[in-house]
Amino acid sequence: DAMVIQNPRYQVTQFGKPVTLSCSQTLNHNVMYWYQQKSSQAPKLLFHYYDKDFNNEADTPDNFQSRRPNTSFCFLDIRSPGLGDAAMYLCATSRDSSAGSNQPQHFGDGTRLSIL
Amino acid sequence: AQTVTQSQPEMSVQEAETVTLSCTYDTSENNYYLFWYKQPPSRQMILVIRQEAYKQQNATENRFSVNFQKAAKSFSLKISDSQLGDTAMYFCAFMEAGNMLTFGGGTRLMVKP
Repeated sequence: DAMVIQNPRYQVTQFGKPVTLSCSQTLNHNVMYWYQQKSSQAPKLLFHYYDKDFNNEADTPDNFQSRRPNTSFCFLDIRSPGLGDAAMYLCATSRDSSAGSNQPQHFGDGTRLSIL
Repeated sequence: AQTVTQSQPEMSVQEAETVTLSCTYDTSENNYYLFWYKQPPSRQMILVIRQEAYKQQNATENRFSVNFQKAAKSFSLKISDSQLGDTAMYFCAFMEAGNMLTFGGGTRLMVKP
């Protein structure tokens, strides 16, 4: 089935050690999103891509970077993870509004990141 | 800026009963879209139901229905014949043109056998 795939499901890294989370999609959606979700809270948008156009949320820390080498893949890089970065990271995709209004976002299973 | 408020952090319901989750939002826009997402424990967030603001008719998807009150800026979710598999976090979300979602704080629903 077409879907949004996040790898790995669980990631453990050391304090300050760079880590990369990956997301791929078979939906051929041109918009991809990265969210951070802490326990029992709503997802918080970090950034999104319209095709290759990168859009950073104003309060996303500089420690967080993203790459989208092609339509199917998108990566979240955390350059120097701190204890406060431990969270679930959700990737989502959608068509953009030029495909018609009301384009819902489709989410992956998420990657749960732990910091030692 | 839009805000979405879910006033019930936690709710519980007996299996087979009906439960209503509340959601209010604030916007100055006239055209927008509303969603309810379900996030089971350690599982994927999935879309439950959606509503276009220009439609007066309330959306329905099987056991899930909404009560959309545009003037009151209210968008509640009713789950009929609750099942154990309905246990999850439920997020109300708002979207205007441009695809960006604004989420509410979530309601944790527990369905009890």
